[in-house]
Amino acid sequence: NAGVMQNPRHLVRRRGQEARLRCSPMKGHSHVYWYRQLPEEGLKFMVYLQKENIIDESGMPKERFSAEFPKEGPSILRIQQVVRGDSAAYFCASSPRDGVYEQYFGPGTRLTVT
Amino acid sequence: GENVEQHPSTLSVQEGDSAVIKCTYSDSASNYFPWYKQELGKGPQLIIDIRSNVGEKKDQRIAVTLNKTAKHFSLHITETQPEDSAVYFCAASANDYKLSFGAGTTVTVRA
Repeated sequence: NAGVMQNPRHLVRRRGQEARLRCSPMKGHSHVYWYRQLPEEGLKFMVYLQKENIIDESGMPKERFSAEFPKEGPSILRIQQVVRGDSAAYFCASSPRDGVYEQYFGPGTRLTVT
Repeated sequence: GENVEQHPSTLSVQEGDSAVIKCTYSDSASNYFPWYKQELGKGPQLIIDIRSNVGEKKDQRIAVTLNKTAKHFSLHITETQPEDSAVYFCAASANDYKLSFGAGTTVTVRA
């Protein structure tokens, strides 16, 4: 059973460009979470999604950031008009339908904004 | 919102000794407390968790204790090995899904 998959693993963008991060949950998992980790810090919750629904986006910046988890395909975290402060590691986690407590993390996407 | 504090920020132990990491939380409604291990360049790996209806849980060399009255919980690693070297994060959740993480503890096991 493959774990949570994220791609790309590393992404370099110039200021003003768009960054698109992808996450495929573990097989059988229908809950997806996105977290951001700044250097030397713990992970910060961004958004919680189920298929075609955003359940909680209280940790998402109000502008430039959006997330989706379509009926088919991976979950996408989109950052428009990136700025240097967006440089961080972005982790996706998933949990099974019948219990949302245990969250299993992917390897992360390390975004660098130049 | 929930605030989780973690101590110490770095911990160096001799191989074979024990390591203890402590966390406190602020939201008395928190009822789920997982611990994650993160190796360099990788995602966090769930190593053990505890729910508020138990006070202690053990899995081989790893144990977690929870004191709900004092709002703190601890990770204990016994007989440490070099492969235990990593960053460890505690977390707390009051609503089944939103994990609030501590800042992490870098553990170094000296051979």
